[in-house]
Amino acid sequence: DIQMTQSPSTLSASVGDRVTITCRASQSISSWLAWYQQKPGRAPKLLISKASTLESGVPSRFSGSGSGTEFTLTISSLQPDDFATYYCQQYNSFSDTFGQGTKLEIK
Amino acid sequence: QITLKESGPTLVKPTQTLTLTCTFSGFSPSTSGVAVAWIRQPPGKALECLAITYWNDDKRYNPSLKSRLTITKDTSKKQVVLTMTNMDPVDTATYYCAHAIGGYYYDSNGYYYTYWGQGTLVTVSS
Repeated sequence: DIQMTQSPSTLSASVGDRVTITCRASQSISSWLAWYQQKPGRAPKLLISKASTLESGVPSRFSGSGSGTEFTLTISSLQPDDFATYYCQQYNSFSDTFGQGTKLEIK
Repeated sequence: QITLKESGPTLVKPTQTLTLTCTFSGFSPSTSGVAVAWIRQPPGKALECLAITYWNDDKRYNPSLKSRLTITKDTSKKQVVLTMTNMDPVDTATYYCAHAIGGYYYDSNGYYYTYWGQGTLVTVSS
């Protein structure tokens, strides 16, 4: 199985900050990576697919980049609604796997 | 509008079999490139894909749980059912069903999850 490692596990930031979350794959996954946002007690919500394609309705302050084994999710200017846990998922093969999550907290 | 909703028991005893039903609307699971998956999340932990049924009736299972899982699809009822045998307290989790797309028709290697149900918390305890 391909292992996905996110860093940091927890990130404290303030409204208006620019933040970056990293996701590393144990082997190359080309651009087959998705990012999800999950708020407490809610289902995950798809933000980005194919490493950098923003889903319809997702604010443009979210962006994704990377290929191969290293990927990033960037939020350009944090809004109060963005404090949540973020997961990456590789879908390079039919055995997809998720990262362990990054919790974005208010500083 | 695509929606999915999970239903089933909230409490099961160890060694029992869990049966969960996902009732969906707004899409056909027979559409090329579409799949329905079951994903779980233990309290405070990460997401784990359990099983997925594809548009062409192919199915795949998490290798570590394969012997305990069965996923079936009833297109006429708009339902996907997951059964998991020999439940253990470590299986306590929120179980989600999700609409997925990918594969050849989406120029993708695998599948990713576009719409999710609200989830159902299943507790395994005697």
